[in-house]
Amino acid sequence: GQQVQQSPASLVLQEGENAELQCNFSTSLNSMQWFYQRPGGSLVSLFYNPSGTKHSGRLTSTTVIKERRSSLHISSSQTTDSGTYLCALERNTGYQNFYFGKGTSLTVIP
Amino acid sequence: DMKVTQMPRYLIKRMGENVLLECGQDMSHETMYWYRQDPGLGLQLIYISYDVDSNSEGDIPKGYRVSRKKREHFSLILDSAKTNQTSVYFCASSLSGHSYAEQFFGPGTRLTVL
Repeated sequence: GQQVQQSPASLVLQEGENAELQCNFSTSLNSMQWFYQRPGGSLVSLFYNPSGTKHSGRLTSTTVIKERRSSLHISSSQTTDSGTYLCALERNTGYQNFYFGKGTSLTVIP
Repeated sequence: DMKVTQMPRYLIKRMGENVLLECGQDMSHETMYWYRQDPGLGLQLIYISYDVDSNSEGDIPKGYRVSRKKREHFSLILDSAKTNQTSVYFCASSLSGHSYAEQFFGPGTRLTVL
């Protein structure tokens, strides 16, 4: 079964609205990472977040290891935020092995 | 400037031809990865390399092999490419093969097998 579930699968926002993206894990994890991907583009790391809360500009990531979940909050969305947001679980195996969710496709309209 | 590079960026091959995808990184990272990304399937790990000549299969290794003769360089080889290997291939690297190490991705190679 899928080890990383992301929700929602897609989201449409009016510019200026906030968004909350969720990532849930079915297995124990060492850490996790949030990425941003433009259509046809590469993956850009947003947060590497073993646990707790991290901030970067309008983005906030919160990971609760014991509850096997992470969230990405986008405040005051802009059209340039449009794209796909991926979370990746680093498994608790001692050696790195990341599992990726299928992503949340975000569209911000002006 | 720390980065992961991939060559070529775009490639079209015929079924049965051999394919070589190349990846480089300038961060002296120990661990490197090859993924493929397909619509609806997300990113899937093909191979992981923990250092020179220390490679392990990922989740979908069938039809692929890899080579890592220098720490900064990791190649993905398709012997006799198949049409179902049409995909976007991403290389990534991280500092260590052990836990708690952030991944950095290359720009991707879009491979079409006709």
